[in-house]
Parts: sequence; C-alpha cells; structure tokens
Amino acid sequence: AQSVSQHNHHVILSEAASLELGCNYSYGGTVNLFWYVQYPGQHLQLLLKYFSGDPLVKGIKGFEAEFIKSKFSFNLRKPSVQWSDTAEYFCAVNAENYGQNFVFGPGTRLSVLP
Amino acid sequence: GAVVSQHPSWVICKSGTSVKIECRSLDFQATTMFWYRQFPKQSLMLMATSNEGSKATYEQGVEKDKFLINHASLTLSTLTVTSAHPEDSSFYICSASLGVFDGYTFGSGTRLTVV
Repeated sequence: AQSVSQHNHHVILSEAASLELGCNYSYGGTVNLFWYVQYPGQHLQLLLKYFSGDPLVKGIKGFEAEFIKSKFSFNLRKPSVQWSDTAEYFCAVNAENYGQNFVFGPGTRLSVLP
Repeated sequence: GAVVSQHPSWVICKSGTSVKIECRSLDFQATTMFWYRQFPKQSLMLMATSNEGSKATYEQGVEKDKFLINHASLTLSTLTVTSAHPEDSSFYICSASLGVFDGYTFGSGTRLTVV
C-alpha cells in the first residue's frame, strides 16, 4: 500500500530563515505529488503540484518543491519564511492506479517566530 | 476556481443522536467527493469515496452503517454520523475536484463534538 512520510513533526524557524520540509513516498509507479497548507483555523489549500515535466515545481507564496524520483522524494522549500507561513503542511500522493484518492503524509507543523 | 462548501462548520450533539454534514460543490459538478477525518495533530485519513448515484466506497475499518453517505446530486454529498459517541468527535473534511490534474479543493471542515 502507498504511504507518505514527512520527516519533521514540528519545525520552528525565525523569520527570513530558509525552509525545507521533507516528504517521501513508497510507490514505484507513476505518481502525482502535491503539497497542501492548512493555516490556523482555515481549510486546506493547494500550494503546488507535480504531474510531469520539470521536476522543480514553483507554487504560490514563493514555495517550490523538487521531485527526485530516485529518492522517492518531493521536498518543499522556501528561501525566506515569513511569520504568515506559520501553518501545517501536508504532502500528498496520488498514484496512477489508485484512482482519484490521495494518501496524505502526517503533516509538519511550521512555526515562524517574528 | 472550484469552491467546496461544507456545513455546518461546528456542531455539538448528545451521545446517541445523529448528525448530518453537507458538502457542496458551488461552481462545478463533482461526480466524486471524498470524506476525510482528521484527529488532533494528525493527518487526514480517508473515510470513504462518495459517488453520485451509487453507493459510497468505504475504507477498511470505517463502519458504513455508522457513517452514512449519500451523494444524491452532482453538487451535494452528505455524511451522517449515526448514534454518535464521544469517540466520534473529530474534524470531518470533504473534498472534490474538477479532475485529478486540478488537485483537490477541500471544504472548510466540520468540527464535531459529541458530549
């Protein structure tokens, strides 16, 4: 069965620090990859997605992610975080033979200190 | 863009009663919607896939008689938690998509507290 792991449960950074959140999945076939963000008290929003092509994907709010197929990874990055980036971040994977369902990672809580 | 509306956003009910949660796609038709459950500090767990005009598909371990799903139209799916118990207290979220290449739009969630 598919599984998605996220390396860190809680990350605490100061403003302007660089961010990298790890995501690994366990599926050997073709996958579609997503990062979602959940701000406090709000619902999930799509940050970025990868389906094919350039493995470096740029999303909203200055986020980007890199798909490394050989490492089964899709890490999320941002060069300089802001206090407003404080949120829960979820990596999600949709596999080609798994229909429309997603498998979500456990989430990483990011706290950015002003 | 695609908008999914979920109602109510917060509900408290007595143990043994039933609660209905609605999920609507506001500006698109969704033949398939998904219901998730999120425990505190945990990720979303898929409960069931709701298919318009047919029976829902439940994930392993989810009681279909307890979590009744009805997808009667292309814009509305409902989740009814029957005979609710305190352990059913959780955050329930629905989602739908225009297509897998568009990602998924999530409702704002329903926080259910059973007392």
